[in-house]
Amino acid sequence: NAGVTQTPKFQVLKTGQSMTLQCAQDMNHEYMSWYRQDPGMGLRLIHYSVGAGITDQGEVPNGYNVSRSTTEDFPLRLLSAAPSQTSVYFCASRGGRRETQYFGPGTRLLVL
Amino acid sequence: SQQGEEDPQALSIQEGENATMNCSYKTSINNLQWYRQNSGRGLVHLILIRSNEREKHSGRLRVTLDTSKKSSSLLITASRAADTASYFCAVSDSWGKLQFGAGTQVVVTP
Repeated sequence: NAGVTQTPKFQVLKTGQSMTLQCAQDMNHEYMSWYRQDPGMGLRLIHYSVGAGITDQGEVPNGYNVSRSTTEDFPLRLLSAAPSQTSVYFCASRGGRRETQYFGPGTRLLVL
Repeated sequence: SQQGEEDPQALSIQEGENATMNCSYKTSINNLQWYRQNSGRGLVHLILIRSNEREKHSGRLRVTLDTSKKSSSLLITASRAADTASYFCAVSDSWGKLQFGAGTQVVVTP
């Protein structure tokens, strides 16, 4: 199993550009989540999904969209990038709400 | 605001010593989890303790949970230089939403 994979590893955007961060898992997990990590802030939940076709907002959803058309994939879309979205983004998945969460390696995003 | 709050923010110890860090949270939880993050890497799950459990062990790790005080502690015994990392607690509510604290940075010197 590859576990949780994320692409790209690093991205530079200009203010106003849009892009999609990709996340995929091959463990048939129902739960998937996106977090951002900023210095001194720990991880903050952006959006999460409890199954294909079901998504919900986390703590900091503004400026981000998600969809879950398949169990495997959970892309995160930045609609119009802003410097405040410069961060490290982590995708995670788990089999159920009481189960261990597995993290991807992260995507470093720089918005100029 | 974040659900889990770790204390201390930073901890520096020597090899062989024990390291203890605490986590406090605000609302009712289904379970509490501890993770480790090495610099520049993703998070690695260490241990999960359910709301009806009070103590759990895994190797050199010992986790306690006091739901009446809404707090948990992580003890690393006989620390090693390889334990140098940031440690995060995360609380899971009944809906499965997992929220993290800001973390404790642990430095273990040889």
